[in-house]
Amino acid sequence: DAGVTQSPTHLIKTRGQQVTLRCSPISGHKSVSWYQQVLGQGPQFIFQYYEKEERGRGNFPDRFSARQFPNYSSELNVNALLLGDSALYLCASSRGANTEAFFGQGTRLTVV
Amino acid sequence: AQSVTQLGSHVSVSEGALVLLRCNYSSSVPPYLFWYVQYPNQGLQLLLKYTTGATLVKGINGFEAEFKKSETSFHLTKPSAHMSDAAEYFCAVSRITGTASKLTFGTGTRLQVTL
Repeated sequence: DAGVTQSPTHLIKTRGQQVTLRCSPISGHKSVSWYQQVLGQGPQFIFQYYEKEERGRGNFPDRFSARQFPNYSSELNVNALLLGDSALYLCASSRGANTEAFFGQGTRLTVV
Repeated sequence: AQSVTQLGSHVSVSEGALVLLRCNYSSSVPPYLFWYVQYPNQGLQLLLKYTTGATLVKGINGFEAEFKKSETSFHLTKPSAHMSDAAEYFCAVSRITGTASKLTFGTGTRLQVTL
């Protein structure tokens, strides 16, 4: 089975722009979580979705939003990009809302 | 609130030497604890996890960790380091509410293995 897939792998955006990151979970997994990993730090929790409903939100501004589709894939949107949004964005999928999470390779976002 | 502290941002060992990466946690409820490894430009791979039961947990690639409630620790060990173990290691604690789970990570420890 394919693992968690994220796209794109890298992208560069300008301050003030908007970006959409995509995640496809492992087949059969119904939960997707998003994490932000700034260089030199551990990942920080952004959102968790389960069965298309938001189940958790981390301490991030409203510029960050996400959604989960009927096929359980997910998108993370970030508006009005700041330089500080430059990071590796990780998606993790799990079978249930509270079961083991499997991580994708991440999307490296650079804001210039 | 839950938190994790990893002591030592960089650890260097010789190939064949013992690996010890330290992790202390803070949790108001019985914790679920995890160790993840991250190779350059890659995502996170689960090494091992503690949920309930046996306090000595064995993981992949010869790693193991022991949950010590009295010391609020979950240190990661490997008897003999290999060059391929060089990577970033993250300890994490999970808060599970029954309808959601959230991983809280430490700041990571970079393991360097020298000849």
